[in-house]
Order: sequence, then C-alpha cells, then structure tokens
Amino acid sequence: KQEVTQIPAALSVPEGENLVLNCSFTDSAIYNLQWFRQDPGKGLTSLLLIQSSQREQTSGRLNASLDKSSGRSTLYIAASQPGDSATYLCASLGMYSGGGADGLTFGKGTHLIIQP
Amino acid sequence: SAVISQKPSRDICQRGTSLTIQCQVDSQVTMMFWYRQQPGQSLTLIATANQGSEATYESGFVIDKFPISRPNLTFSTLTVSNMSPEDSSIYLCSVEVWGAETQYFGPGTRLLVL
Repeated sequence: KQEVTQIPAALSVPEGENLVLNCSFTDSAIYNLQWFRQDPGKGLTSLLLIQSSQREQTSGRLNASLDKSSGRSTLYIAASQPGDSATYLCASLGMYSGGGADGLTFGKGTHLIIQP
Repeated sequence: SAVISQKPSRDICQRGTSLTIQCQVDSQVTMMFWYRQQPGQSLTLIATANQGSEATYESGFVIDKFPISRPNLTFSTLTVSNMSPEDSSIYLCSVEVWGAETQYFGPGTRLLVL
C-alpha cells in the first residue's frame, strides 16, 4: 500500500526566502504526483501535476520535481510571500496492478507560515 | 475545471445521530470521490461514488456507516451514520473531469460530534 510522507510538518520563514518542501513515497508505480494547497474553509487547490514520465513542472514561483527511482518529490517556492501561507499537500495517483488508475494517496502536509 | 459546492459547510452534531452532506458540481463529471481528513491527519479516500450503482468503498469504510448516493452526473451525497466523536473530521468531495488528470475539490464540510 502506498505511503506518502512529507517533511517538514511545519515551517516558518521570513518573507522573501526561497524554500523547499519534501515529499517521499514508497511505491514508484504511480500515474502522477501532485502538489495541492489547502486553505482553511476553501478546500484544496491543485498547484502542480508531474506525470510519471516527467522530471519537473513549473508555474510562476513554484517548481516541482519528481524522482521516481528514489521515491521523492520536492516543491520549491521562490521569493516567498505572506500569501503563500497555507498547508501544502503532496499526493500520488496510484496505479492498479492491472494498469488502471487508482485513487489519490495524500501526505499529512507541510504547514507553512511566511512572516511579513 | 469544475466548481464544487458542499452543504453544510460545517455542523455540530450529537452522538448517535446522522448527517447527510451534499456535493454539487457545475458540470457533468466522470468520477466523484469522498475523502475524510481527521485532525492532524492526511486526506483518506472513503469511497468512489458511482452514478447509478453502489459506491466503491476503500478498506476500512463500510456502506452501513457511510452510505453514498449519486443519482446523476453532477450530484452526490455522503451520510455519516450513528456518529461518534471519532467521526469529527473535515469531509471533502472531489471530482475528476473528463480529460483532466487532476481532481478538483470542494470546500469541505467541517463536522464536530459531541
């Protein structure tokens, strides 16, 4: 059964810093790896999706990488801003042994606070 | 993309009662899912809501406790039955749109059971 772990559980940094959030997964048989942002009362927002055949994806100040062989993904946030404060979730879309898509398996998240 | 609404947004319930959560999507979608997020924990998939047939439940979740309906391609309900304080969680609905590889999530229903 897939297990997704996120480190650190919480992070507080001053505004303007670059930071890295880490995600590891135990089963490399995945369709894709996704990063979500969770804000209280607003559900989840998809940030980046990396296909299993890709190495990285970029959107604005965000860059996510994927290394299937080592079971790791990182989310890099450049020039952090107070508006980036949220919980960041990593999730893998699994694959049934027969080849069909399975459900999303989430990590517990990294609670990020950007200090003004 | 898809816009998803959930009702209620939050509720406080008494032990032993049941609560039905509604999920409405603004367009027809292929797949609908229900997740639970217990305090301090990750999201856990409860079940896949299938249109016109019984939901598919994940290990550890049963139909008697979490009955699910999906009468059409834009609407689903999740009932939390015979509630106990351990059921206090955020319950989220998500959908998969045809051709998209990500899931879109509703705002969640925050449930507190006393």
